[in-house]
Amino acid sequence: DTAVSQTPKYLVTQMGNDKSIKCEQNLGHDTMYWYKQDSKKFLKIMFSYNNKELIINETVPNRFSPKSPDKAHLNLHINSLELGDSAVYFCASSLGGPKTGELFFGEGSRLTVL
Amino acid sequence: GNSVTQMEGPVTLSEEAFLTINCTYTATGYPSLFWYVQYPGEGLQLLLKATKADDKGSNKGFEATYRKETTSFHLEKGSVQVSDSAVYFCALSDGGFQKLVFGTGTRLLVSP
Repeated sequence: DTAVSQTPKYLVTQMGNDKSIKCEQNLGHDTMYWYKQDSKKFLKIMFSYNNKELIINETVPNRFSPKSPDKAHLNLHINSLELGDSAVYFCASSLGGPKTGELFFGEGSRLTVL
Repeated sequence: GNSVTQMEGPVTLSEEAFLTINCTYTATGYPSLFWYVQYPGEGLQLLLKATKADDKGSNKGFEATYRKETTSFHLEKGSVQVSDSAVYFCALSDGGFQKLVFGTGTRLLVSP
């Protein structure tokens, strides 16, 4: 059983479209994250949720909207996709915050905007 | 703000060579420090961590010591293997904002 699973793994779409990436964790963790990894492998946090409540929103354009229906799921919806949104998006989870808890990452969702 | 600086890669070594990947940080307060590893096509996984000054984290032959006086957390391994080829990320926890701040990653390539 995969601990943190993301779908889809690959997504190719046109500029202007709307797309969603789903994430689920079966570890019983209370905190979930979305990270964006660009083509140079640089990783930057986008959002963090604790028990379904948003605790970090890291100056991400409001075209990106996370939704956490329960503490095991954190989905990412992106409106009006732009070329610069092309990246690998990683979902992660932890028990408590990152200072004490190890982050467990999914395998990533590679988004390509044409 | 808090930040992590890693040496640029790629680092290219022969099998059984000694590895050092440098990492320095800037932070207020007392962050925890981490090394994560990303194998090709996979997500990141925790390699080791240290939560206070002078702590040494170790795992799978890798080790790193939290040096507050030099604000460093260099990753070392005495004898690398081909299977160690991956991208290595140094990170610190920004406890106040509950997030991990990552360095830019260092790609390690080990040849037989």
